[in-house]
Amino acid sequence: NAGVTQTPKFQVLKTGQSMTLQCAQDMNHEYMSWYRQDPGMGLRLIHYSVGAGITDQGEVPNGYNVSRSTTEDFPLRLLSAAPSQTSVYFCASRGQGLLSGELFFGEGSRLTVL
Amino acid sequence: KQEVTQIPAALSVPEGENLVLNCSFTDSAIYNLQWFRQDPGKGLTSLLLIQSSQREQTSGRLNASLDKSSGRSTLYIAASQPGDSATYLCAVYKGTGANNLFFGTGTRLTVIP
Repeated sequence: NAGVTQTPKFQVLKTGQSMTLQCAQDMNHEYMSWYRQDPGMGLRLIHYSVGAGITDQGEVPNGYNVSRSTTEDFPLRLLSAAPSQTSVYFCASRGQGLLSGELFFGEGSRLTVL
Repeated sequence: KQEVTQIPAALSVPEGENLVLNCSFTDSAIYNLQWFRQDPGKGLTSLLLIQSSQREQTSGRLNASLDKSSGRSTLYIAASQPGDSATYLCAVYKGTGANNLFFGTGTRLTVIP
């Protein structure tokens, strides 16, 4: 059981470049989300989805886009990378009802924007 | 907004010691609480999920308790080992929306051989 899989694990971008962080889960979870983790800031929610075709903004959505065309996949797009987006990004998913299901995380994607 | 606090931010203990990590939250009207472990450079691994109707959960040497009325959860680690060294985070589920999870900033535990 692969759980939540993120790619790539590491990426270096130049300011202004765009890229997509991939996230896939094989647990048939309805809820998927993207977080960024920065020193001293903890985990902050970027975007989330409660099912295919449904997405919504979290705490820090600016500069990021998401889509959810299938239950399994939830890619995060950086439209025009900025140094402030240097961070570690985590994808997470849960099921068993939106209110109480155990949350599972991917291994993370470390992004550096020069 | 729900505030989740974990004190201390860092803790060092000798191997074999029993220890308690604390998680406090400002709003007691939560649904569930989850404890995670994060190793350096890795993702978060779920340790225990305490449902709203439960007061504690146990897994091996770990025991987590939840007291909603006092806004507190504790994670008890028995007979600590160097492999327990990691950052431990708690997260509370609050509200009925999907965007209802609030994380603490973690306690970095070092178990000294």
